[in-house]
Amino acid sequence: GQQLNQSPQSMFIQEGEDVSMNCTSSSIFNTWLWYKQDPGEGPVLLIALYKAGELTSNGRLTAQFGITRKDSFLNISASIPSDVGIYFCAGQLRAGNNRKLIWGLGTSLAVNP
Amino acid sequence: GAVVSQHPSWVICKSGTSVKIECRSLDFQATTMFWYRQFPKQSLMLMATSNEGSKATYEQGVEKDKFLINHASLTLSTLTVTSAHPEDSSFYICSAMLALTDTQYFGPGTRLTVL
Repeated sequence: GQQLNQSPQSMFIQEGEDVSMNCTSSSIFNTWLWYKQDPGEGPVLLIALYKAGELTSNGRLTAQFGITRKDSFLNISASIPSDVGIYFCAGQLRAGNNRKLIWGLGTSLAVNP
Repeated sequence: GAVVSQHPSWVICKSGTSVKIECRSLDFQATTMFWYRQFPKQSLMLMATSNEGSKATYEQGVEKDKFLINHASLTLSTLTVTSAHPEDSSFYICSAMLALTDTQYFGPGTRLTVL
């Protein structure tokens, strides 16, 4: 099925560093979502973006909905050990009753204390 | 707010038996819920969209007679894996859509192991 291009695939950083990851698509979306998944758990919503150009923050996290509606980035500032996990982007195109999410392959983040 | 629960969190069953997984939206009503399957080190794969009071819509390649979905109320959807086989072993995750924002909130997942 269709998937988003998410990069990087993995990151290994030092505690306190900033992190940036992004997703691109050949299709436009109405909504971009960023989720974090810990091992053995379901994804947890971090940030939802509903409008092209929108820049939204949630604590140390900042995400933007690209103006072309085909991309989004997520930044994490001053990383801490509990930021470890897999981060997924997802795009949603609302067409009729269709609310399916198209997923990126994930960015695995490791933080060295 | 927007909390989704799943039960059980893990289950081990013998080949040939059926297993039911429940997905509940605890603090909101959800006319639409989704069922996903996730293999190790992969992203989520949508199995079906569950709409309250109507038949589920299954993704291509997903057997509807094997993965029975019932969404009888605005807060509960169930997935029954019938005649389970070892290849059905996986991590199953549900989500419930908050209609106000069309945003999906996920349950904690159910680890199914079929012996």
